[in-house]
Amino acid sequence: GAVVSQHPSWVICKSGTSVKIECRSLDFQATTMFWYRQFPKQSLMLMATSNEGSKATYEQGVEKDKFLINHASLTLSTLTVTSAHPEDSSFYICSANEGALNTEAFFGQGTRLTVV
Amino acid sequence: ELKVEQNPLFLSMQEGKNYTIYCNYSTTSDRLYWYRQDPGKSLESLFVLLSNGAVKQEGRLMASLDTKARLSTLHITAAVHDLSATYFCAVDRKGGDDKIIFGKGTRLHILP
Repeated sequence: GAVVSQHPSWVICKSGTSVKIECRSLDFQATTMFWYRQFPKQSLMLMATSNEGSKATYEQGVEKDKFLINHASLTLSTLTVTSAHPEDSSFYICSANEGALNTEAFFGQGTRLTVV
Repeated sequence: ELKVEQNPLFLSMQEGKNYTIYCNYSTTSDRLYWYRQDPGKSLESLFVLLSNGAVKQEGRLMASLDTKARLSTLHITAAVHDLSATYFCAVDRKGGDDKIIFGKGTRLHILP
C-alpha cells in the first residue's frame, strides 16, 4: 500500500510556542489530506481537511487560527499548533487518499505532542 | 450527520474463544474500514469493505458488511493474545469528500 510519513514522531514544547507537524505522501500524490487528533483512550476526531492549493476546511469546533494547515504541494501538508497549551497535548495523525476520490485512506505514524 | 457506533467498547476474553465486535452507522456510505491500533501507535488497516454482503478474512479476523442494516461486524475466531489491541471501525462519509468518521473503538484484551 501507499506510504504516508509524519514528522516528527514526538515533540515536547513549552507553553506559548508553536509546533509544526509534517505529513508527506511518499509514493503518491494527494490533493487532499486529513488531520486527526486523538486523546488518550479516545477515538480519532477529524480536525480538518487539507486541500492542495487552497484553504483547509475545518470541522466544527476546531479553531482555524490555532491549528494552521498548509498544503503547499501534492505530497506535503503541514499542521502548525500555534501558541500551544498543555490541553493541546495529544496524538495527531494525518491521512491521505491515493489518487482520485473513493480510494483507500492511508495513515501516517502519528505525532505525539506534549506541551509543558 | 454521520455517526458511527461500536460495541462493545471494551472486551476482555480468554484465548481460544470467539467473539464479535459490532459497528453501526447512521447514513449511507461509500465504504467501511476496520483498523487496529496498538498503544502509542498509529492505525493499521485491516479491511476495507465496499459493497453489501462483502466478507473479508485475514487470519483469525473476519469482517462483513450489511449496507441495508448499516452494520458491519468484526469476528474473532479462536483469539490469541497477540490480537490484544484497540479496533476501530470507520465510515467514509458519502458525498465524495473522502472524510472518514471513526467509531469510539473497542479495546480488546485477550487473557492468556
